[in-house]
Amino acid sequence: GQNIDQPTEMTATEGAIVQINCTYQTSGFNGLFWYQQHAGEAPTFLSYNVLDGLEEKGRFSSFLSRSKGYSYLLLKELQMKDSASYLCARQGPGNTPLVFGKGTRLSVIA
Amino acid sequence: DTGVSQDPRHKITKRGQNVTFRCDPISEHNRLYWYRQTLGQGPEFLTYFQNEAQLEKSRLLSDRFSAERPKGSFSTLEIQRTEQGDSAMYLCASTGSGYGYTFGSGTRLTVV
Repeated sequence: GQNIDQPTEMTATEGAIVQINCTYQTSGFNGLFWYQQHAGEAPTFLSYNVLDGLEEKGRFSSFLSRSKGYSYLLLKELQMKDSASYLCARQGPGNTPLVFGKGTRLSVIA
Repeated sequence: DTGVSQDPRHKITKRGQNVTFRCDPISEHNRLYWYRQTLGQGPEFLTYFQNEAQLEKSRLLSDRFSAERPKGSFSTLEIQRTEQGDSAMYLCASTGSGYGYTFGSGTRLTVV
């Protein structure tokens, strides 16, 4: 993705907490999305951050620091079904298309 | 409404053939996007429409690619003279006045 960096792979244990980081280019930044994508399926929306801080939604939370060009997705109480790719996507000005990172493939092991 | 529909789900074609994919967005969504995704990569933007107007095209969209959205509803993506490098998942997404994209299940193209 265009100036969007996230780790390629992560492994975590069932029941644990995992944090997936994403850094992005700050110029022209309007918001940050996280999507989940299971193998062979479409990406599905997880969260959207436009202001600094933490947004919590059940087991998933997302954090944004606009000044640092940094976001993370926090997954708690990991379940096997959370094994998927997690895509960070940057929103630019107006209706410009989302730019996606390459995704982080998370494997949850027993 | 059943979300964003894409057809076909899978397409195998011989190199040099033309292929066309269809996307039916959520009916009240006025913006429609095409992305391409290869294994281990995130979706890469190809083109997008607001109603029937094609507003932006990526440099990835060579002259062999063309997209239309004739009545501001469904869209088609055509690839002419397919090459092996065109093998990918082609994803369509739509959005309305909100900010989130809803993706279709994609069309997986294999060029042999």
